[in-house]
Amino acid sequence: QSALTQPPSASASPGQSVTISCTGTSSDVGGYKYVSWYQVRPGKAPRLIIYQVTKRPSGVPDRFSGSKSGNTASLTVSGLQAEDEADYYCNAYAGSNNLVFGGGTKVTVL
Amino acid sequence: QLDLEESGPGLVKPSETLSLTCTVSGVSTNRLSYFWGWIRRPPGKGLEWIGSASSRDIIHYNPSLRRRVTLSLDTSKNQLTLRLTSVTAADTAVYFCAREGLEWEFDFWGQGHLVTVSS
Repeated sequence: QSALTQPPSASASPGQSVTISCTGTSSDVGGYKYVSWYQVRPGKAPRLIIYQVTKRPSGVPDRFSGSKSGNTASLTVSGLQAEDEADYYCNAYAGSNNLVFGGGTKVTVL
Repeated sequence: QLDLEESGPGLVKPSETLSLTCTVSGVSTNRLSYFWGWIRRPPGKGLEWIGSASSRDIIHYNPSLRRRVTLSLDTSKNQLTLRLTSVTAADTAVYFCAREGLEWEFDFWGQGHLVTVSS
């Protein structure tokens, strides 16, 4: 299985929105409803921010939203804040009890 | 409060076996609903799922690592262990353990443990 494709970087000013894409195939992103997103900051435990494409765990602000179209999933962070600066990774179920991650996107708040 | 903590050596020699332990506190790993997994992040690279194990003795492995990886879950100790054989510099990474929820997501993570493969 190949890693999902994410842009290496994205940036926006505080208060603006940033959208990160995660492109796979019909065997992973496009084939199932199990796409999740993670926020990773240096020295901190990764944090689940979206699961099952669009769902937010308790405690995650509604500024974070997820969607999917075909083989591409997306994470949008609205009203960007300084604390949102981090690496973001997508993950998808790839069938046969396999999971695959994306290469990660570094989000910079300008 | 669910907490996961990875432990083990920080330096492993090439061709040797990497062994890590994840100690879970705040919830029993014996709960049938969940899997417990390992994920790693090589320096400068993305996350890679290694595998996940459940208390029902069901273990899922990343096919690309299957030949070298063994996971085990000791519910009496609330510990998940990882063994990775024949390591090379490419196995240098921060290794995370995490709980795998009901929708193939990892909802709780440890802080991670850096393992360097070097002679």
